[in-house]
Amino acid sequence: DGGITQSPKYLFRKEGQNVTLSCEQNLNHDAMYWYRQDPGQGLRLIYYSQIVNDFQKGDIAEGYSVSREKKESFPLTVTSAQKNPTAFYLCASSMPHRRTAPNTGELFFGEGSRLTVL
Amino acid sequence: QQQVKQSPQSLIVQKGGIPIINCAYENTAFDYFPWYQQFPGKGPALLIAIRPDVSEKKEGRFTISFNKSAKQFSLHIMDSQPGDSATYFCADEMIKAAGNKLTFGGGTRVLVKP
Repeated sequence: DGGITQSPKYLFRKEGQNVTLSCEQNLNHDAMYWYRQDPGQGLRLIYYSQIVNDFQKGDIAEGYSVSREKKESFPLTVTSAQKNPTAFYLCASSMPHRRTAPNTGELFFGEGSRLTVL
Repeated sequence: QQQVKQSPQSLIVQKGGIPIINCAYENTAFDYFPWYQQFPGKGPALLIAIRPDVSEKKEGRFTISFNKSAKQFSLHIMDSQPGDSATYFCADEMIKAAGNKLTFGGGTRVLVKP
């Protein structure tokens, strides 16, 4: 089945450690995104990538890093510089949304990774 | 900071009632206004979306009303069912040559009681 696979589903980390969250898609989508979800704050964009080997910072990129070496993969590293890393992290992918294109630019989300810092 | 203000944060209705969720945006350059539905433990999924040149869109029991002059849009769930209990997010989207970027509201948790 086509979709987005995130792993691990749950992750515990000690303060000062870096962790990497995996995101893989087999939808042949060009664009991939990482969002952070906190109660009452909705989904906030961390990083996004429209094409392999290129990515842009979102609204809350500080303390995070990404890479896009393959179209299918967009891992997120939560570094020790992220002050409040405990959250639910969501990866998504989409085809580019163009004004004249029939597609809607719909985001397809994975099931998320819950990170807890002890 | 949020560019889309969503209210209320939570909503409880009886089965058959009509929960209404409101969103207000600031930037008139947005091109598209989608709504996403999220069930517990899952990622959000696109529910319905509207372009700013349309005042209303219906898909099944879900309706978006769009008021361009007031810079507001809302989601109505007609004849709500317990299976509609979920968190709903509005969003605004800017379509750019470098790619589209969505900004989400804070979310509304809807509970439909049997």
